[in-house]
Amino acid sequence: QVQLVESGGGLVKPGGSLRLSCAASGFTLNNYYMAWIRQAPGKGLEWMSYFSSSDDSIYYADSVKGRFTVSRDNAKNSVYLQMSSLGAEDTAIYYCARLRAWYAVVDWGQGTLVTVSS
Amino acid sequence: NFRLTQPPSVSASPGKTVTLSCTRSSGNIASKYVQWYQQRPGSAPTTVIYEDNQRPSGVPDRFSGSIDSSSNSASLTISGLKTEDEADYFCQSYDTLNWVFGGGTKLTVL
Repeated sequence: QVQLVESGGGLVKPGGSLRLSCAASGFTLNNYYMAWIRQAPGKGLEWMSYFSSSDDSIYYADSVKGRFTVSRDNAKNSVYLQMSSLGAEDTAIYYCARLRAWYAVVDWGQGTLVTVSS
Repeated sequence: NFRLTQPPSVSASPGKTVTLSCTRSSGNIASKYVQWYQQRPGSAPTTVIYEDNQRPSGVPDRFSGSIDSSSNSASLTISGLKTEDEADYFCQSYDTLNWVFGGGTKLTVL
């Protein structure tokens, strides 16, 4: 059974940094593309990044390019999202997702809330 | 980039059939796969349709997806509506490297 468990969310001050983790189980990470997707309170879904877990293919949305960095540890079956220069607009629930192909989510985590506020 | 436009809200009665639309602003809807995600209140999204019309295991066959090139739209049809189908539904597609989500449709079952 596929499970994705995010952690690391919390309250951070504007301009600060935060690292989110996603622990995957029930499948082998390096066989799948993965993604980070966020949802601001009361708003729709917004993709942040999708990436291959077996090579260096990583793509970022323009809204986070240069500020957010994804990484993975296949040995730990985990992926990470390093966020920096955070602003109020980054306040959202962040979801980790397993992809069927680079363009389609098939499994979602439960999400972790990031609040950027002074 | 293109946009995916969804009606903000739709309502229907239990037992009925409802069709949710997702219109692509530019580019051929049929050229890139469309996915549909369901989000019940207070919960994470789940995938109900991927690659236009494929259902993940565990999704009932009451859910079906289709593409209409004449209107450049994708549709999610839910038959035999149940109160548990009340949720937000988001469509999603992509172009060369970027994903695009629709704004979502709130489905009310009453």
